[in-house]
Amino acid sequence: TQLLEQSPQFLSIQEGENLTVYCNSSSVFSSLQWYRQEPGEGPVLLVTVVTGGEVKKLKRLTFQFGDARKDSSLHITAAQPGDTGLYLCAGDNAGNMLTFGGGTRLMVKP
Amino acid sequence: DTAVSQTPKYLVTQMGNDKSIKCEQNLGHDTMYWYKQDSKKFLKIMFSYNNKELIINETVPNRFSPKSPDKAHLNLHINSLELGDSAVYFCASSQDDRDRSSYEQYFGPGTRLTVT
Repeated sequence: TQLLEQSPQFLSIQEGENLTVYCNSSSVFSSLQWYRQEPGEGPVLLVTVVTGGEVKKLKRLTFQFGDARKDSSLHITAAQPGDTGLYLCAGDNAGNMLTFGGGTRLMVKP
Repeated sequence: DTAVSQTPKYLVTQMGNDKSIKCEQNLGHDTMYWYKQDSKKFLKIMFSYNNKELIINETVPNRFSPKSPDKAHLNLHINSLELGDSAVYFCASSQDDRDRSSYEQYFGPGTRLTVT
């Protein structure tokens, strides 16, 4: 069974701070996706990283795929209250079943 | 327009009952899924359905049965509901993008099932 471990599980910070969320596995993935979920809603795809070492930026969010395609990180610069939510990483092993990490609950206080 | 829709949004029922959750996607995707999200927010795949091929997560009890009348619909039927079935169930769809080896998924809003 492929497992994805996310850390930290919970993160509470003040507006304007920077943060990094990690997603780690002992397995290699064809691609890795990051989703954000708000209360009462389904996860929404933020980004997909495919190539080892790939870095993608989405405004204040920076996503990186590890060189070995086993891990990924999400860095948020100058966090805002609107960034509050549950962040989920999901690995794709070239099948059609994603393996999700346990999630990181982020709260950004004004 | 809603891409992936589910009904009902909330479902409260008693143990032993049989219930169904409906899902529809208007994205023209080939593959649809059902996920279960527990109280700790862990999201776990239950089923994947693509071109009449059903892939089942072996840990899912056979009381759960997906039914797909056509490519745009994947309903979830649950027999003999148990307390432990209480969770939020998400439907999702994806279009196989073999060039990028990725299965980006689009989720519905979820159905909160409470079994009493």
